[in-house]
Amino acid sequence: DGGITQSPKYLFRKEGQNVTLSCEQNLNHDAMYWYRQDPGQGLRLIYYSQIVNDFQKGDIAEGYSVSREKKESFPLTVTSAQKNPTAFYLCATKAGGGRETQYFGPGTRLLVL
Amino acid sequence: QQQVKQSPQSLIVQKGGIPIINCAYENTAFDYFPWYQQFPGKGPALLIAIRPDVSEKKEGRFTISFNKSAKQFSLHIMDSQPGDSATYFCAARPTPDRGSTLGRLYFGRGTQLTVWP
Repeated sequence: DGGITQSPKYLFRKEGQNVTLSCEQNLNHDAMYWYRQDPGQGLRLIYYSQIVNDFQKGDIAEGYSVSREKKESFPLTVTSAQKNPTAFYLCATKAGGGRETQYFGPGTRLLVL
Repeated sequence: QQQVKQSPQSLIVQKGGIPIINCAYENTAFDYFPWYQQFPGKGPALLIAIRPDVSEKKEGRFTISFNKSAKQFSLHIMDSQPGDSATYFCAARPTPDRGSTLGRLYFGRGTQLTVWP
């Protein structure tokens, strides 16, 4: 089964704790993106990466970190500096070569205990 | 600052009606305008997209109308069905250039559509 896998589906964070959300893809897409979704806010870009070992901050990068060590993987760490992390997190990918469509994973819901 | 403004926030229509969702933008560097459909608890999926060199695009019951001079575009759903009940997002992408913005999208805040049977 091909596509984008996000895990876990639900994640609970304690105060002061860092947590890491996984995003894996087997589509051989070059670009990967992380979005945060809050009710009534749409999708806001956290970080994105066009190629391995390179990534750029999006509009709301504060309190988050990423890595892109492999083409297939783009994990997102929500650090303790992110004071309001409760949200639905979506990973997306896009092929290179001028392709335009972004494909989204199923999402991870992060809740704070 | 919201790059893409979407309205209404919510919309309720009866089965067979034609809901219309509107989006507006200011940045003339946008050159690709997709619409995404999202069901509760799922990731968004591309529904239909348009480039500014055409004024209308149809795919099945879904139509995008594009007004380049007004910097507005809208989604029309013909003969709406209860299964169309979802959240719809418009988005816009800047023209690819040498900068690092290649491929990123700016999303509207979404419209929650409910179609009553």
